[in-house]
Amino acid sequence: KAGVTQTPRYLIKTRGQQVTLSCSPISGHRSVSWYQQTPGQGLQFLFEYFSETQRNKGNFPGRFSGRQFSNSRSEMNVSTLELGDSALYLCASSPPGQGYTGELFFGEGSRLTVL
Amino acid sequence: DQQVKQNSPSLSVQEGRISILNCDYTNSMFDYFLWYKKYPAEGPTFLISISSIKDKNEDGRFTVFLNKSAKHLSLHIVPSQPGDSAVYFCAARGSNDYKLSFGAGTTVTVRA
Repeated sequence: KAGVTQTPRYLIKTRGQQVTLSCSPISGHRSVSWYQQTPGQGLQFLFEYFSETQRNKGNFPGRFSGRQFSNSRSEMNVSTLELGDSALYLCASSPPGQGYTGELFFGEGSRLTVL
Repeated sequence: DQQVKQNSPSLSVQEGRISILNCDYTNSMFDYFLWYKKYPAEGPTFLISISSIKDKNEDGRFTVFLNKSAKHLSLHIVPSQPGDSAVYFCAARGSNDYKLSFGAGTTVTVRA
């Protein structure tokens, strides 16, 4: 069974640009979450989608947005990039019935560097 | 605000000895706690979890202890092996939450 796939794995952008990251969850998983990992901050929750609906959103500015498609694939977008947006962006999916336990299956992440 | 805290950024332990990782939380609504392990260039992988109705859960070499009154949990790894060298994240969620709150992580190095 294929794991969570994130693309691209690495990317470099400059301040002011925008970026779109993609995530394909494990087949059958309908919930997709996004997290930002920076040194010393751990993983910060961005948002969570289920059946194309955003169910929860973290404390990030409106420059961070996401969406989920009917096939459960998800994208997140960051507009007007700032230096502080440099981070590892992790996508995670969870199967039906696992939502309460919190066990998530993570992808390898997209490493964004903003210059 | 950081609702889950791992105050030790790093831990070095000799192979065969016990590793003890600590985690504190502030939100009394949390009722499910998890530990994740992360190797460089890989995503975190689930290690072990515990519900708030329990005070201990064991899985092989890994045991998680929960002290609700102190809002504290710990992960014990016995015996520690070189392959355990990784970053360990503590995470928690409430019963009506669709998100996990993570600590900043503890880097464990197991010395041969």
